[in-house]
Amino acid sequence: ILNVEQSPQSLHVQEGDSTNFTCSFPSSNFYALHWYRWETAKSPEALFVMTLNGDEKKKGRISATLNTKEGYSYLYIKGSQPEDSATYLCAFRNFGNEKLTFGTGTRLTIIP
Amino acid sequence: EAGVTQFPSHSVIEKGQTVTLRCDPISGHDNLYWYRRVMGKEIKFLLHFVKESKQDESGMPNNRFLAERTGGTYSTLKVQPAELEDSGVYFCASSLDRAGYGYTFGSGTRLTVV
Repeated sequence: ILNVEQSPQSLHVQEGDSTNFTCSFPSSNFYALHWYRWETAKSPEALFVMTLNGDEKKKGRISATLNTKEGYSYLYIKGSQPEDSATYLCAFRNFGNEKLTFGTGTRLTIIP
Repeated sequence: EAGVTQFPSHSVIEKGQTVTLRCDPISGHDNLYWYRRVMGKEIKFLLHFVKESKQDESGMPNNRFLAERTGGTYSTLKVQPAELEDSGVYFCASSLDRAGYGYTFGSGTRLTVV
């Protein structure tokens, strides 16, 4: 059974502050790590698909890093804005398997 | 390009009734996936179609769940008879290839069984 864990479960951040959270996943048989941003009643929005150890990806104020050897990824948000409030999901995929295994998510609330 | 569309967005049914959820993937996407999120827990894989064939149905909880994808276009997921523990959000996703890139989700169907 694959275990993907995200921490913290929830987070309140003042507008303008920067923040980060963690996704840990099995370090063996790694294929890809996906990050999604999800607002209730909307479609999970793909942020990043990361495949290489040491990968760093950036999209506007959001960036992510990947360490496949130790099995973790960080998501960073710089200068948080109210519209960043959402649940951030990571999902792991291993070789030989096409399904994604999700963590429970980090619920981020930005305080104006 | 239209996204992945799911119907209905919400459904409330009584225990023992039947419900059918529908997913229209992005046109041309051969791969279609069903996932489910039960309240407070992680999103879990149910099954994967490649065109009209079931590639992996290892996540289907039991034989009360039946998924079909006739003609390799839209897919339906039927729950018969529904039980209380089936409540949750059912997501559909589609992708063009099997590498997992361009994996697009629908907004989900929120199913409540009372």
